Amino acid sequence: GNSVTQMEGPVTLSEEAFLTINCTYTATGYPSLFWYVQYPGEGLQLLLKATKADDKGSNKGFEATYRKETTSFHLEKGSVQVSDSAVYFCALGDSGSARQLTFGSGTQLTVLP
Amino acid sequence: NAGVTQTPKFRILKIGQSMTLQCAQDMNHNYMYWYRQDPGMGLKLIYYSVGAGITDKGEVPNGYNVSRSTTEDFPLRLELAAPSQTSVYFCASSPLGGRNTEAFFGQGTRLTVV
Repeated sequence: GNSVTQMEGPVTLSEEAFLTINCTYTATGYPSLFWYVQYPGEGLQLLLKATKADDKGSNKGFEATYRKETTSFHLEKGSVQVSDSAVYFCALGDSGSARQLTFGSGTQLTVLP
Repeated sequence: NAGVTQTPKFRILKIGQSMTLQCAQDMNHNYMYWYRQDPGMGLKLIYYSVGAGITDKGEVPNGYNVSRSTTEDFPLRLELAAPSQTSVYFCASSPLGGRNTEAFFGQGTRLTVV
């Protein structure tokens, strides 16, 4: 079956630090990959996505590259801000699945001023 | 832009009570989902629907029921509330499924069963 493994948190960084949140996946088909963000008290929002190998998704300074050879989709940002404090979820959508997203367990990020 | 609307936002239930969590979307999406999110955990799929009149079980369906009589609405019913159902519930919708699933989420319902 499908699964997503995320780097365990929580992660605490100082403002302007470099961020990496690791994500690896197992899929029966050829999935699309997503990063969602959940700000405190809110629902999840799509942050970025990639639909094929070597694609790079980017949004709000965040980037992630679809690496099929390593089955990974690590999230990076060069300089985090306090406003980036949130929970980040890696997810995959697979044509071989029951038409649903499979989520990782989430990584709590706290950015200190 | 309303998107996905969930009601209520908060609810406290006593053990054995029942309730319905409402979810409505105005984007004409065929796919709708109910997830629960427990503290420190990811999202677990309860039920999903690929169109009006069609529903199917997800990963954790026990203790819940759903219906999908219209494209817009996808209510989740708890018949006999138990403490294990204390969680945050998210409804989501998507225009497409499979590898093209790009879900839009509601703001969640925080349910406590005491």
